[in-house]
Amino acid sequence: DAGVIQSPRHEVTEMGQEVTLRCKPISGHNSLFWYRQTMMRGLELLIYFNNNVPIDDSGMPEDRFSAKMPNASFSTLKIQPSEPRDSAVYFCASSRPGTLTDTQYFGPGTRLTVL
Amino acid sequence: DQQVKQNSPSLSVQEGRISILNCDYTNSMFDYFLWYKKYPAEGPTFLISISSIKDKNEDGRFTVFLNKSAKHLSLHIVPSQPGDSAVYFCAARYTGNQFYFGTGTSLTVIP
Repeated sequence: DAGVIQSPRHEVTEMGQEVTLRCKPISGHNSLFWYRQTMMRGLELLIYFNNNVPIDDSGMPEDRFSAKMPNASFSTLKIQPSEPRDSAVYFCASSRPGTLTDTQYFGPGTRLTVL
Repeated sequence: DQQVKQNSPSLSVQEGRISILNCDYTNSMFDYFLWYKKYPAEGPTFLISISSIKDKNEDGRFTVFLNKSAKHLSLHIVPSQPGDSAVYFCAARYTGNQFYFGTGTSLTVIP
């Protein structure tokens, strides 16, 4: 299996621009998670989906952030408008049905820089 | 507010010796704890976990200890190898799928 795929791997944009991060989970996994990694706060869970339905988005920092999962094989995290404080590494992870604990498989991450 | 804390940002250990990584948490309702390992430019990978009903779990060179009264978790690596050099994240589960991660500890194993 190819693992969790994220694109782009690196994104540099200017403040105010829209940014869209993409994720393809592992085939057969029915839970998908978006995390943000910063030096100060480590890995923060932003939102997670179960069977394409958002279950908990309490980690989404503000209305500028939105996430969608239109089907089982694709999810997006959008920031509009972007701000310099959004600069971080964003990870997508997926897990298998019935194993919600120790089997979160992470993608390689997208390093976002907002100038 | 950080509910899972890793107070040591970095740790250096000689090859062959024991590495001890520490993690503290504040929420007594956490029921499951995990350690993830992360190499540069890669996503974290699951390493070892422990349920709150246990106090120790061992997997090869890796052992996780849980002290619930102290709200403290530790990962022991014995013997340490250069390939263990990575960032280690401690994580705790609250309910369902809600996970809280620490800020990570960068381990360097010196050959």
